[in-house]
Amino acid sequence: EAQVTQNPRYLITVTGKKLTVTCSQNMNHEYMSWYRQDPGLGLRQIYYSMNVEVTDKGDVPEGYKVSRKEKRNFPLILESPSPNQTSLYFCASRLAGVGSGELFFGEGSRLTVL
Amino acid sequence: RKEVEQDPGPFNVPEGATVAFNCTYSNSASQSFFWYRQDCRKEPKLLMSVYSSGNEDGRFTAQLNRASQYISLLIRDSKLSDSATYLCAVTGMNTGFQKLVFGTGTRLLVSP
Repeated sequence: EAQVTQNPRYLITVTGKKLTVTCSQNMNHEYMSWYRQDPGLGLRQIYYSMNVEVTDKGDVPEGYKVSRKEKRNFPLILESPSPNQTSLYFCASRLAGVGSGELFFGEGSRLTVL
Repeated sequence: RKEVEQDPGPFNVPEGATVAFNCTYSNSASQSFFWYRQDCRKEPKLLMSVYSSGNEDGRFTAQLNRASQYISLLIRDSKLSDSATYLCAVTGMNTGFQKLVFGTGTRLLVSP
């Protein structure tokens, strides 16, 4: 089954404790992206990757890191989480190229930072 | 001004009603347009792409108005199962086709 898998789905942590949210897709998509979704603000892009070893900042990259060592994986790293990073996070992937707009989303990871 | 704007709603309609949502975008160079559906606490899923000529999929019709820079979604004969949040999304040359910019969504509640 074609899918984007995120883990963990739910996490409560404390300020400053490094964490990683994993994302894996099995569709051989070149493009992967992380979004956060907050009430009233909608989906905002954190980072994206056009292919292996190619990453770039989205609209709200502060406090986050990513890596793309393999095509299928795109982990999101919070080196020192803060309460303002409490949010619902979505990883997404699609084929690269003009007009390849359909994003396939993971089920989301709900993060609470105390 | 936000790149993509939607009325947050909620739109409360009875079953069988016709309901329409609009979404405006700010960049005239935008090239591709989409409607996504998001159920509560779930991931967004593509509902339909929006083409210049408009497109229809069953009870759903999407249209693009480039002159006024908005896209619309029409739902006919609403079902209870249509209750969800509808997100419009726009990509285009201004973002190098790399970013899909989402509106904040319009919430639809269909009641019996």
